[in-house]
Amino acid sequence: NAGVTQTPKFRILKIGQSMTLQCTQDMNHNYMYWYRQDPGMGLKLIYYSVGAGITDKGEVPNGYNVSRSTTEDFPLRLELAAPSQTSVYFCASSYSTSGYTFGSGTRLTVV
Amino acid sequence: DAKTTQPPSMDCAEGRAANLPCNHSTISGNEYVYWYRQIHSQGPQYIIHGLKNNETNEMASLIITEDRKSSTLILPHATLRDTAVYYCIVRVASPDYGGSQGNLIFGKGTKLSVKP
Repeated sequence: NAGVTQTPKFRILKIGQSMTLQCTQDMNHNYMYWYRQDPGMGLKLIYYSVGAGITDKGEVPNGYNVSRSTTEDFPLRLELAAPSQTSVYFCASSYSTSGYTFGSGTRLTVV
Repeated sequence: DAKTTQPPSMDCAEGRAANLPCNHSTISGNEYVYWYRQIHSQGPQYIIHGLKNNETNEMASLIITEDRKSSTLILPHATLRDTAVYYCIVRVASPDYGGSQGNLIFGKGTKLSVKP
């Protein structure tokens, strides 16, 4: 039981490049989430999903896209990377009322 | 914005109880109180949650006042490994109830430093 797995752990992007942050969970959780955390700050919700085929915006969705084709996977897409997207990205999953299980994060730098 | 107020930092001696306060004076009747912690740069870790009754698990105890406007997370015997940022969050049970209100909204939390 691996929990929530995020890849890659680190990435450096040039301005304007695109990339997909991968997130997969093996707990059969219906809810999944993407957060970003800037240095010294709390986590901000980017997108969330209540089940396969359903996604919705969080607090800071601009510049990102998501999809949820399966229960297990919830990839986050950056189309045109900008320096403001330099951050640590966390994926999480949960049942409806349970605590969230977080992944170990992806540290992204845009230069 | 986060609906909770926490002190920015606290110290605790190793082996003593750590009592972390949280104010949530605008909490609604269907909102739970959740506690998470984040050690260094790791992903946040779920600790405990409750609605109105006090709760206890293997990690901590959660004491919620009768009017539900504040709560205290208690780590009974703090160790150096409990040094972390602790987040108190209120939310409805799930995104199914009230849409985005069911999501976790993180504030800045309390940085707990456990000292030898």
